[in-house]
Amino acid sequence: DQQVKQNSPSLSVQEGRISILNCDYTNSMFDYFLWYKKYPAEGPTFLISISSIKDKNEDGRFTVFLNKSAKHLSLHIVPSQPGDSAVYFCAASVRGAQKLVFGQGTRLTINP
Amino acid sequence: NAGVTQTPKFQVLKTGQSMTLQCAQDMNHNSMYWYRQDPGMGLRLIYYSASEGTTDKGEVPNGYNVSRLNKREFSLRLESAAPSQTSVYFCASSEGRGTPRETQYFGPGTRLLVL
Repeated sequence: DQQVKQNSPSLSVQEGRISILNCDYTNSMFDYFLWYKKYPAEGPTFLISISSIKDKNEDGRFTVFLNKSAKHLSLHIVPSQPGDSAVYFCAASVRGAQKLVFGQGTRLTINP
Repeated sequence: NAGVTQTPKFQVLKTGQSMTLQCAQDMNHNSMYWYRQDPGMGLRLIYYSASEGTTDKGEVPNGYNVSRLNKREFSLRLESAAPSQTSVYFCASSEGRGTPRETQYFGPGTRLLVL
């Protein structure tokens, strides 16, 4: 039972354009969402997060949007840069619960 | 300041062999975690430790044991390795008592192949 789903295994975007990574979830109890970025042979690193009381959170080139009614969140990267090529994981948690539930990941490739 | 370190980086085991994956953090964090990453599955929590002296099961604990040796170190043991345990294992730590709203910092991973 995959509670957090990233339905696009890969995405290719031209440098300078917008990258949009999507994530869907099924558990309505999730109230905090995170995006992690992972380069090959390295561990994931935290990128940005959003609480369910918000619908948008912005940090530089990265913006996360949350649509609670659709149980959907997205990560926007503008403008995309070659260093953004990585695997991106979305994750979610329930208030009071210990664990993060991760999606399968989306491999983003930024082409020059 | 090394952050989270893991040893070994890569290991090959035969079915039935045992081994311990080591993890240490130098950030004075209270909480530590073990995940496994498999193709198409994301990261799944095996065990976690909210504080020194406590451990709890995560999503996929079967076949594993853990030890929170002290505040810095959290080890993962496979008593009798199986091919289904072939995976990349990540250790992580976070500052407080394990509330997911804290940022988790990950180590570089251990790639394990069980033949």
